[in-house]
Formats: sequence, C-alpha cells, structure tokens
Amino acid sequence: NAGVTQTPKFRILKIGQSMTLQCTQDMNHNYMYWYRQDPGMGLKLIYYSVGAGITDKGEVPNGYNVSRSTTEDFPLRLELAAPSQTSVYFCASSVGTAGNTIYFGEGSWLTVV
Amino acid sequence: QKEVEQDPGPLSVPEGAIVSLNCTYSNSAFQYFMWYRQYSRKGPELLMYTYSSGNKEDGRFTAQVDKSSKYISLFIRDSQPSDSATYLCAMTTVNDYKLSFGAGTTVTVRA
Repeated sequence: NAGVTQTPKFRILKIGQSMTLQCTQDMNHNYMYWYRQDPGMGLKLIYYSVGAGITDKGEVPNGYNVSRSTTEDFPLRLELAAPSQTSVYFCASSVGTAGNTIYFGEGSWLTVV
Repeated sequence: QKEVEQDPGPLSVPEGAIVSLNCTYSNSAFQYFMWYRQYSRKGPELLMYTYSSGNKEDGRFTAQVDKSSKYISLFIRDSQPSDSATYLCAMTTVNDYKLSFGAGTTVTVRA
C-alpha cells in the first residue's frame, strides 16, 4: 500500500534556486496538507487543500506556492530558496471530517546553502 | 503562548520502565486528541486517538485526557527499545480538520 508518496527524499538547493516537492496519494482523500518540521518546533502547516482546485494558506505560507489540479497530487513549489527554508517537509492527506486521522508521507529533507 | 505545549525532552529510560508523556493546551474548544509516533527519518504515524475526556488503552499504551485541566498524557508500559521515537501530541476541534501539534518529545529506551 503506497499511501502518501513524496519525492525527492533529499535535496540540496542553492540560495535563490527554485524547486518543486512532489506529493501523491492513492487513498482518494479529498484533503491534503503540507507541513514543515524544524527541530524543537513541531509541525507547522504551510498550505492545505480541501479538494481539486481549492487551496488555502496555513500558518507559514510565505515563500511557498501550491496547486491542486487532481485529487491525487499536491505539489509544493519553493520560489527563490532561502536558508530559512532548510527543513523537513511532510505531505499528508485525510478524509477531511472533524478529528480525522491524517496520514503522512515519509518526508523530504531540504537544505538551502 | 503556544496553543499546544509539549516538553521536547529528550527522555531516556531503561527497558521495562513506564514512559510518561504529556501536553498542555490553551484552546478549550479542542475535542479530538491524538498521539503520533515518529521514528527517525520517517513520517509521523497515528498511535492513539481519543475523543473528549477520559482514558483509552491499547496494549501497552494508555492515553488520558483531562479537559478541565487542559492536559493530556500518554503512558507506555513495559517500554521496549522499539518504542524509541519522537512522540507528538495533536488536537483539533469538532469543526476543524486541521491539527495543532506539540513540539514532540524524543524518547530513548535503553536495552
């Protein structure tokens, strides 16, 4: 069972470069999320989507963009990478009802130098 | 003040000990409470799920919620080295699907 799949697993970017983190899920979940995790800071919500064509900002959206053209895919775009974006990024999905279980991908480790 | 407070530890215990983890929160509207376990270099996975107040037991794991004190706990009995991980508390309201997470507590169980 694939669940939530993220690519790449590891990436080093130079300051000012751009890249896209890919995320796909095969559970037919309407709701998808992007989180970043920094040491001692827990998980912070970057963007989320409640269905194809609908996205919204989370707690820390600056420097990122998302799109949701299909139910399965929810890519995260980093424009003009900055050292502050060095982090671990997790894509997740859920059915979407209140209190529902959120399923996470394996994570993408990004370093901006 | 953070919405969810969790001591990041780290916590180191000998095998067989009871591990006690806890979180406090400020939003009295939270009704769903979860504990996620995260192994090194992996994504979080749901461990325990509780609605409103009370206790829930699943094998060696017990989750407790005290809404009057805005305090939740996770107990791990007879801890094993395989329990070594980061444990994150998470919570949400009845009208929301987004979770508020604690910072996570890193636990090491020594063989």
